[in-house]
Amino acid sequence: EVQLVESGGGLVQPGGSLKLSCAASGFTFSGSAMHWVRQASGKGLEWVGRIRSKVNNYATAYAASVKGRFTISRDDSKNMVYLQMNSLKTDDTAVYYCVRGGDFDYWGQGTLVTVSS
Amino acid sequence: DIVMTQTPLSLSVTPGQPASISCKSSQSLLHSDGKTHLYWYLQKPGQPPQLLIYEVSNRFSGVPDRISGSGSGTDFTLKISRVEAEDVGVYYCMQSIQLPALTFGGGTKVEIK
Repeated sequence: EVQLVESGGGLVQPGGSLKLSCAASGFTFSGSAMHWVRQASGKGLEWVGRIRSKVNNYATAYAASVKGRFTISRDDSKNMVYLQMNSLKTDDTAVYYCVRGGDFDYWGQGTLVTVSS
Repeated sequence: DIVMTQTPLSLSVTPGQPASISCKSSQSLLHSDGKTHLYWYLQKPGQPPQLLIYEVSNRFSGVPDRISGSGSGTDFTLKISRVEAEDVGVYYCMQSIQLPALTFGGGTKVEIK
């Protein structure tokens, strides 16, 4: 059974940092691209970024709204993908989901990030 | 960037009646690989989005056959032949032709009358 479990969310002040984690199981993680998608309360879905697999040189890409502030990484030995978020703004407040790339078929339950003073 | 436009914004449906949601993309979603990269999701209250349809018309595992997808190029439709209580939530279309970026429609909220 494919599972994606996010963690690491919480309350952080504007300008602060937070690192989200996503634990994957039930599929060949090392061969899959992984995406992060976020959703502000009562709003739609916004793509945040993606990391490809080792064979694709772990290439990353980011939405313009987070480029230069967010970094995606992965540890294939642990089946983990991470989202390092720096210089956080109030607009970054959202539930963050990790999503399996390729088929976009599995999403985690999400972790809530609240940026507020 | 490809813009995905969904209509209507919301739908109130009597149980057992059909429902239809439209999704239009600003560019064709037909890839050179022959696939059309259009997906449909349902987000039930308090849950993450769940995949219903991939590549326009293919039902994901466990999705009932009263839910179907159709369309081509830039115009797509999700149909529910007989709405049930479990169909309540917000439906999103999504494109993946313009990877790495994914873009989503604004969502259509379906409720039961």
